[in-house]
Amino acid sequence: GAGVSQSPSNKVTEKGKDVELRCDPISGHTALYWYRQSLGQGLEFLIYFQGNSAPDKSGLPSDRFSAERTGGSVSTLTIQRTQQEDSAVYLCASSEINRNTNEKLFFGSGTQLSVL
Amino acid sequence: AQTVTQSQPEMSVQEAETVTLSCTYDTSENNYYLFWYKQPPSRQMILVIRQEAYKQQNATENRFSVNFQKAAKSFSLKISDSQLGDTAMYFCAFMKHPGAGSYQLTFGKGTKLSVIP
Repeated sequence: GAGVSQSPSNKVTEKGKDVELRCDPISGHTALYWYRQSLGQGLEFLIYFQGNSAPDKSGLPSDRFSAERTGGSVSTLTIQRTQQEDSAVYLCASSEINRNTNEKLFFGSGTQLSVL
Repeated sequence: AQTVTQSQPEMSVQEAETVTLSCTYDTSENNYYLFWYKQPPSRQMILVIRQEAYKQQNATENRFSVNFQKAAKSFSLKISDSQLGDTAMYFCAFMKHPGAGSYQLTFGKGTKLSVIP
């Protein structure tokens, strides 16, 4: 596709339920990132994928959070047993990995997660 | 660990005027990148401008320019000839050089800019 696509755009769930958020990166981008943006805050790094492996998952806040990437393309962020403090916008980004452009991230429009 | 501070939660500017957004950061790294991102109501983060720390020359992109003061760890964004479409949240961000094995961006909390007709 032309840009990074995320679905759903908005998700409302009940406390204790599991949710899955999807990210479809720009075709050919080998790097993929998940960030979380809580109300009134900047973006908080969650995890970084290079291909299908995650060399940096230092930002995942608890073991309720997990992510996977398959085929070097689509990624899914899963939050188990959601809590109200998980309410936030979850943003995905992708980038090429080469000498000249590896630090240029392209972001999707995010998923607004609301936990009631 | 790196920190990024944006001390201006909100700012406003008259259309066609110039505005400067402030950003300071703290790091022990010598080689890194600095960025300004724009986030309109659509939520999509859009890269405005980037600066490589080893370059002394300030980056410019059309109406956008930065004042990078490495010793002072300051990285301000100047928007000239402000337009209504510039209304958005602006985030300053830091990335260690990717050679360090991480592509993690550290963001400030943002400045909400309103351009007034």
